[in-house]
Amino acid sequence: DAGVIQSPRHEVTEMGQEVTLRCKPISGHDYLFWYRQTMMRGLELLIYFNNNVPIDDSGMPEDRFSAKMPNASFSTLKIQPSEPRDSAVYFCASSFTALEDTIYFGEGSWLTVV
Amino acid sequence: GNSVTQMEGPVTLSEEAFLTINCTYTATGYPSLFWYVQYPGEGLQLLLKATKADDKGSNKGFEATYRKETTSFHLEKGSVQVSDSAVYFCALKYSSASKIIFGSGTRLSIRP
Repeated sequence: DAGVIQSPRHEVTEMGQEVTLRCKPISGHDYLFWYRQTMMRGLELLIYFNNNVPIDDSGMPEDRFSAKMPNASFSTLKIQPSEPRDSAVYFCASSFTALEDTIYFGEGSWLTVV
Repeated sequence: GNSVTQMEGPVTLSEEAFLTINCTYTATGYPSLFWYVQYPGEGLQLLLKATKADDKGSNKGFEATYRKETTSFHLEKGSVQVSDSAVYFCALKYSSASKIIFGSGTRLSIRP
């Protein structure tokens, strides 16, 4: 079975531009998580979904960030407008149920905003 | 609230050295405890886990024992290899909850 698939793997964009990161979770998984990783703040949970519904978005840094999950096999994380401080690795992860111990991470989207 | 604290890195060792990465947690009740590993350029992947007190998780020569009395879950390996160079994350999760709480990560570098 394919793992969590993220795109793009790398993106360099100019400040002020819109950035859209995409994620396809593992088929059959009910939970989808978006994380951000930086040297300064480590690994932060931004938002997670259960059955396509956002459950907790308390980690979303500000209104410039938004996430959607229109169906069970696709999610997006959008930053508009982007700023240099948004430069980070963004990970998508999924798990089968709340009782599942393990969550499965994608390889990440490396974002650089110049 | 619930949290995980790990020793700060980076940790640099020579090949075949003994490894310990400390992890302590703050939580009520009985969470499951995990170590995740992140190799360069990749996402995190589960290394080992323990679901109750005194359980020992093990994988790829790594071990960690769930110590409730000291609220710890230290990662150990008897003889490290260059290929073990990675960032290691300690984490906890309640079975009834969706979220995993991660520590800040410890970068490990192994010299040949």
